[in-house]
Amino acid sequence: SQQGEEDPQALSIQEGENATMNCSYKTSINNLQWYRQNSGRGLVHLILIRSNEREKHSGRLRVTLDTSKKSSSLLITASRAADTASYFCATDVGGSYIPTFGRGTSLIVHP
Amino acid sequence: EADIYQTPRYLVIGTGKKITLECSQTMGHDKMYWYQQDPGMELHLIHYSYGVNSTEKGDLSSESTVSRIRTEHFPLTLESARPSHTSQYLCASSETGSRNTIYFGEGSWLTVV
Repeated sequence: SQQGEEDPQALSIQEGENATMNCSYKTSINNLQWYRQNSGRGLVHLILIRSNEREKHSGRLRVTLDTSKKSSSLLITASRAADTASYFCATDVGGSYIPTFGRGTSLIVHP
Repeated sequence: EADIYQTPRYLVIGTGKKITLECSQTMGHDKMYWYQQDPGMELHLIHYSYGVNSTEKGDLSSESTVSRIRTEHFPLTLESARPSHTSQYLCASSETGSRNTIYFGEGSWLTVV
């Protein structure tokens, strides 16, 4: 079974609104990463947060990590239609550092 | 921009054919991966490699095989394609170590008829 699970599975918002996606995982991690995938394309790395970090920012993206709850959230502020994509979290555990991905959240931003 | 390339992007083949999906990266990464993804679904790791002459099976059992003779090249082969192999195959690579951002290719869409 997948280590990470994103929630919600789908999210539909209007341009300008904020979008929040959550990721829960089962075992202790080294790092957690968020990726974006446009339809029919490969994944693009957005941000990496280490297990000893609580929050990171990158432009309009804000990622939090709560290791006690084994969860992370990705916030996209002031969303744009171009943010429409699927968003995946990836976690890696142990010494192998092999990331595994969740099911993804499908985000639709209406103009 | 990731320097990882997959060919072909799209392939339609008949049942029983042998196919090889090519993947090359020019970043000098030791680690390479193959993921399988059905439309709108999660990614499943099917193969990975730590470096030359290293290949490991991933979480999802796959009838495909891989080889890693050169650092930059990680081809995936299906000896006898079946309709159940229809899917998108994503190749990726990363540096060795804990800060392992993964760089993905654009994917190869395989349809077996």
